[in-house]
Amino acid sequence: GAGVSQSPSNKVTEKGKDVELRCDPISGHTALYWYRQSLGQGLEFLIYFQGNSAPDKSGLPSDRFSAERTGGSVSTLTIQRTQQEDSAVYLCASSLLAGSDTQYFGPGTRLTVL
Amino acid sequence: EDQVTQSPEALRLQEGESSSLNCSYTVSGLRGLFWYRQDPGKGPEFLFTLYSAGEEKEKERLKATLTKKESFLHITAPKPEDSATYLCAVVGANSKLTFGKGITLSVRP
Repeated sequence: GAGVSQSPSNKVTEKGKDVELRCDPISGHTALYWYRQSLGQGLEFLIYFQGNSAPDKSGLPSDRFSAERTGGSVSTLTIQRTQQEDSAVYLCASSLLAGSDTQYFGPGTRLTVL
Repeated sequence: EDQVTQSPEALRLQEGESSSLNCSYTVSGLRGLFWYRQDPGKGPEFLFTLYSAGEEKEKERLKATLTKKESFLHITAPKPEDSATYLCAVVGANSKLTFGKGITLSVRP
């Protein structure tokens, strides 16, 4: 079956521009997560959605970052006024339920801010 | 705060040379410990979930074990295609995965 998909696979932008990253989770998965992976660093949790509950935004590094999930499926991560330190790979994962269910990851979006 | 420490940072093995990767953790209310494999330019690929101390799981040349403080990923007679970064992560009471920085494994033919 289809796994988690993300688009674009690569994004190059100029400092100060806004970017949108998209995630399509596995069909039927109610939980969706966003992570950031910087060179030499571990995966850093950003935000997660569980069903119709309010998202857990505790990992977002600044108010320039936001995310939404429409219809309990597709999610978009938006970064406003991008900075060079935002350059990283952004990974999306989904699981059947939040908590101890296995999270399955997409291929990621590599963001480069010039 | 949940923490995961993996060691060594990098490991180079000869094909057929068995070894173990270590993952030490501190977590409030462990709900699961996960091992993933990540190849360059790709997302993490799920390997195992362990839920309680004493649990073991195997898949081909890999075997994962769990104690109350650490987990080991044992690799028996590795092949070059086992070369990858191996990630360990825990889920605690907050339902969020906390990852270690990973162990980069290189297996020489």
